[in-house]
Amino acid sequence: QVRLQESGPGLVKPSETLSLTCTVSNYSINTDYYWGWIRQPPGKGLEWIGNIYHRGSTYYNPSLKGRVTMSVDVSNNQFSVKLTSVTAADTAMYYCARLRVGVAYSWGQGTLVTVSS
Amino acid sequence: EIVVTQSPGTLSLSPGERATLSCRASQSISYTYLAWYQQRPGQAPRLLIYGASNRATGIPDRFSGSGSGTDFTLTISRLEPEDFAVYYCQQCGSPPYTFGQGTKLEIK
Repeated sequence: QVRLQESGPGLVKPSETLSLTCTVSNYSINTDYYWGWIRQPPGKGLEWIGNIYHRGSTYYNPSLKGRVTMSVDVSNNQFSVKLTSVTAADTAMYYCARLRVGVAYSWGQGTLVTVSS
Repeated sequence: EIVVTQSPGTLSLSPGERATLSCRASQSISYTYLAWYQQRPGQAPRLLIYGASNRATGIPDRFSGSGSGTDFTLTISRLEPEDFAVYYCQQCGSPPYTFGQGTKLEIK
């Protein structure tokens, strides 16, 4: 059964860059699935951040105004997200997911990132 | 961007009852591109339904989805204690793939 695990700093200072990695186990990232990130501010709903294919094609949510970049590391079966110029509004639980046609079939357990000085 | 609206915001029912949750999109989407997720407290969401009516692997048959165009429904035929959670619908037809704000299903 596929397993996804997010990792990265739990605390980021305002104006700095949030960086998270998702490690995929029991399933090759080098397949016909897409891989993506979804976030959830505390007590709120879900927001689509974007997704990436193993060959590198990406889609990012325009609401993030060019602050997001995703990459994939096939050799380590990982994919990553960077979000620049963070503010308190970026405080959220960040989930990585395995996707097909936009549907998140498998999810990581999530990692809470707090933006605070 | 397609806006997805769920109703009601909160649904109070008892175990054994039938739950009907609604999801409306701001523009028509193919039934192929509508999904439902369940999120229990402290857990990640999990996929329940894709393609509006297809149950994901391991999902009990008391969960069913229907609808087309702009209006979709998730039905839970007989509520079990573990079904009390928050439910989200998502349109996957047009990026960005937007979610509804959620329906909280609580024990009456």
